[in-house]
Amino acid sequence: SQTIHQWPATLVQPVGSPLSLECTVEGTSNPNLYWYRQAAGRGLQLLFYSVGIGQISSEVPQNLSASRPQDRQFILSSKKLLLSDSGFYLCAWRGLAEEQYFGPGTRLTVT
Amino acid sequence: RKEVEQDPGPFNVPEGATVAFNCTYSNSASQSFFWYRQDCRKEPKLLMSVYSSGNEDGRFTAQLNRASQYISLLIRDSKLSDSATYLCVSATDSWGKLQFGAGTQVVVTP
Repeated sequence: SQTIHQWPATLVQPVGSPLSLECTVEGTSNPNLYWYRQAAGRGLQLLFYSVGIGQISSEVPQNLSASRPQDRQFILSSKKLLLSDSGFYLCAWRGLAEEQYFGPGTRLTVT
Repeated sequence: RKEVEQDPGPFNVPEGATVAFNCTYSNSASQSFFWYRQDCRKEPKLLMSVYSSGNEDGRFTAQLNRASQYISLLIRDSKLSDSATYLCVSATDSWGKLQFGAGTQVVVTP
C-alpha cells in the first residue's frame, strides 16, 4: 500500500533563515506530487506540483521553491523565510481517480 | 470569487441527529468532486468521492447537482467522532490540481 512521509513534523525558524521540507512516497511509482500550505484558519493553497523527476510547476509566486530530485521525493525550500511563511505544509500524491492523499504535514512557525 | 465556497459553520449537532451541508462550485467544467475530513491540526483525509448519481458510504451520503453547481454531504446518526471540518473539493484539469473549499466545521455534542 502507498504511504507518504513528511519531516520534520514541527519546525520553528527565525526570519531570514533557510528552509528545507522533505516528502517521500512509498508504494507507487512516478506519482503526481503536490505541495500545499494551510494558514491558520484558512483553506489549502496549492504551492507547487510535479508530474515527474525534475519537473516543477509553481502556482503562486512567492518566497518558496520546490525540487523533485527523485521519483518519489519532493522537496520544498526557501533561502530566507518571512513571517508570512508560517503555516501547515502538506505534501500529497495523486491517486487513480484524481483524489489526493496527504502526508502528516509540517507545522512551520517563523519567529 | 472562490472556485469552491462553503458555509464555515459551525454546525452544532446533537449526537444521533442528522446534519447536512452544501458547497457550491463556480467552474462548470469541474469533473470530479470529493469530500475530505480534517481534524484539528491534522492532515485532510479523503472521506468519499462524489458521483453524479449520488453515493452513500455508511452514514454518509453525498449528492451532486450539476445544474445548480452544488455538492452536498449528509451525515446520519451523528457520532461524537464526526466532529471535524469537512472540506469540499473539485478537480478541473488534467494535471490533477484540486480546488479546496475553506471547510465546514461540524461539532457533535453529547
